[in-house]
Amino acid sequence: QKEVEQNSGPLSVPEGAIASLNCTYSDRGSQSFFWYRQYSGKSPELIMSIYSNGDKEDGRFTAQLNKASQYVSLLIRDSQPSDSATYLCAVSENAGNNRKLIWGLGTSLAVNP
Amino acid sequence: EAQVTQNPRYLITVTGKKLTVTCSQNMNHEYMSWYRQDPGLGLRQIYYSMNVEVTDKGDVPEGYKVSRKEKRNFPLILESPSPNQTSLYFCASRRSSGGSDTQYFGPGTRLTVL
Repeated sequence: QKEVEQNSGPLSVPEGAIASLNCTYSDRGSQSFFWYRQYSGKSPELIMSIYSNGDKEDGRFTAQLNKASQYVSLLIRDSQPSDSATYLCAVSENAGNNRKLIWGLGTSLAVNP
Repeated sequence: EAQVTQNPRYLITVTGKKLTVTCSQNMNHEYMSWYRQDPGLGLRQIYYSMNVEVTDKGDVPEGYKVSRKEKRNFPLILESPSPNQTSLYFCASRRSSGGSDTQYFGPGTRLTVL
């Protein structure tokens, strides 16, 4: 059973701090990795995608991928109260016709003013 | 505006009363899927479709049906809903079945089956 694991949290950080979210996955052949943000009762929205080892930066967000260690992380710099949400890690299945996304259960982030 | 739409957004129904949740996307995406999201279980794929007239079961297909007669539409059908199908449902689409494409979600349908 292919799995994506995340610490459920809640992760609590003060406003302006760096929030660090981590995710590990079991499918060694996975090639595509995504971070989605989901506010309570709303649909997931894409924050970052990453496909190769290393860092990828977009504004206050940085995704980090280490395929050898099978982990992907998301850093949020200068955290804002509006960043308070659940962050879902998704990893694309590597085999078969249905390259579905395998989802973690999410990490709840609370940014305190 | 590129989007995935779902209707209804909220639905309360009774056991055994057939219902359909519609899903439509305007991005000409080939791949569409339905998820349900439950506390502690996360997002689970119900059915997916890789193109018109091509559908297949996901991880939790029991009690659901789908069809894909047009590229833009992918309705979810509950022939005889039961209380264990009370959940938050999301339709999603992406450009192709390849795993690298961004997946876009509809706004969700909160279903309660009494």
